[in-house]
Amino acid sequence: DGGITQSPKYLFRKEGQNVTLSCEQNLNHDAMYWYRQDPGQGLRLIYYSQIVNDFQKGDIAEGYSVSREKKESFPLTVTSAQKNPTAFYLCASTVGQAEKLFFGSGTQLSVL
Amino acid sequence: DQQVKQNSPSLSVQEGRISILNCDYTNSMFDYFLWYKKYPAEGPTFLISISSIKDKNEDGRFTVFLNKSAKHLSLHIVPSQPGDSAVYFCAASAWNSGNTPLVFGKGTRLSVIA
Repeated sequence: DGGITQSPKYLFRKEGQNVTLSCEQNLNHDAMYWYRQDPGQGLRLIYYSQIVNDFQKGDIAEGYSVSREKKESFPLTVTSAQKNPTAFYLCASTVGQAEKLFFGSGTQLSVL
Repeated sequence: DQQVKQNSPSLSVQEGRISILNCDYTNSMFDYFLWYKKYPAEGPTFLISISSIKDKNEDGRFTVFLNKSAKHLSLHIVPSQPGDSAVYFCAASAWNSGNTPLVFGKGTRLSVIA
């Protein structure tokens, strides 16, 4: 079955630690996105990539980094510079720029 | 500055009645609009979309209306069912203006009461 797989489902970060959230898709989609959901805040765009080896900052990129070495994979690293990392992180992909997004099931990140 | 606004954080509706969820936008370049449904601890799923060349799009129990002059769209669910209880996000894109990611509203939590 085609889809988007995010792992892990739950992740805990210690103070000063970098953590990486995985996102893999087998939909052959060109574009991939990372969103963050906080209660009452909706979905805010962190980073997106429309082709391999290229990505752009979204509205809240500070404290995050990404890579796009393969079409199928778009990992997100939450660095120690992100002071408020507790949130639900969603990865999405699409075949085009404004086509409907397909979302993964999300990763809940919490700070210990 | 919020470009997509969902001013009602929550809505309660009796089963079988109509649910109307509203969304306003400020960016006149937006020309493609979508609604997503989200259950807790899951990713959103696409529900229905509409482009700016239309003013209505229907899919089963779901209808989206677009009023470009008012920069307003609404999602109608008829009849509402308990399984419709979820958070609904409105999203918009300036598709004809280049590569712009979707901009989401803050969501409206719909509760359908049996």
